[in-house]
Amino acid sequence: QVQLVESGGGVVQPGGSLRLSCAASGFTFRSYGMHWVRQAPGKGLEWVTYIPYDGSNKYYADSVKGRFTISRDNSKNTLHLQMNSLRAEDTAVYYCTKDARWSFDYWGQGTLVTVSS
Amino acid sequence: QSALTQPPSASGSPGQSVTISCTGTSSDVGGYNYVSWYQQHPGKAPKLMIYEVTKRPSGVPDRFSGCKSGNTASLTVSGLQAEDEANYYCSSYAGSNNWVFGGGTKLTVL
Repeated sequence: QVQLVESGGGVVQPGGSLRLSCAASGFTFRSYGMHWVRQAPGKGLEWVTYIPYDGSNKYYADSVKGRFTISRDNSKNTLHLQMNSLRAEDTAVYYCTKDARWSFDYWGQGTLVTVSS
Repeated sequence: QSALTQPPSASGSPGQSVTISCTGTSSDVGGYNYVSWYQQHPGKAPKLMIYEVTKRPSGVPDRFSGCKSGNTASLTVSGLQAEDEANYYCSSYAGSNNWVFGGGTKLTVL
């Protein structure tokens, strides 16, 4: 069965950095694009970033462009999100999700990132 | 990218049907047949319920259906059950490898 397990969340000061990881299993990771989607406390879902199966390109929401970097290691079935210059408004649960031709068919349990001084 | 517009709440009694709307623009909902819907119970991860406007993943009851007209997509839940009470989010592909979500609708089963 498909499993996505995020890690790396925590508390960080404004302006700081954090690196999230997502360990994938139960499917051929190297064949699928992957996304990060976030959800601020008590708020709705927000698409953050997408990387195709081969990592050839990377796409970002305007709100994180230039600060966040998505990457993947197909040899280790792992997805990453490097977050720099963090702001209070980046506080959210970050979900790793599997791409399913324009939708998100499997989600991890999420990891909480809190940006606070 | 602006969020899609959903009503903040919807409700219905057990056995009834309820429809949730999702309004976007010709650049997202109206421009592609790539609208999807997600169910999220409190404290849980979202679950895909509908993709490509009308398709149901394996295991999703046929009580859930989707459609689209112009820039507005809709999710209908028929034969409401207590376990359907949750937050529902629509999403659409918005071109250039960007996606957008709706603000979410809290469905209450009375």
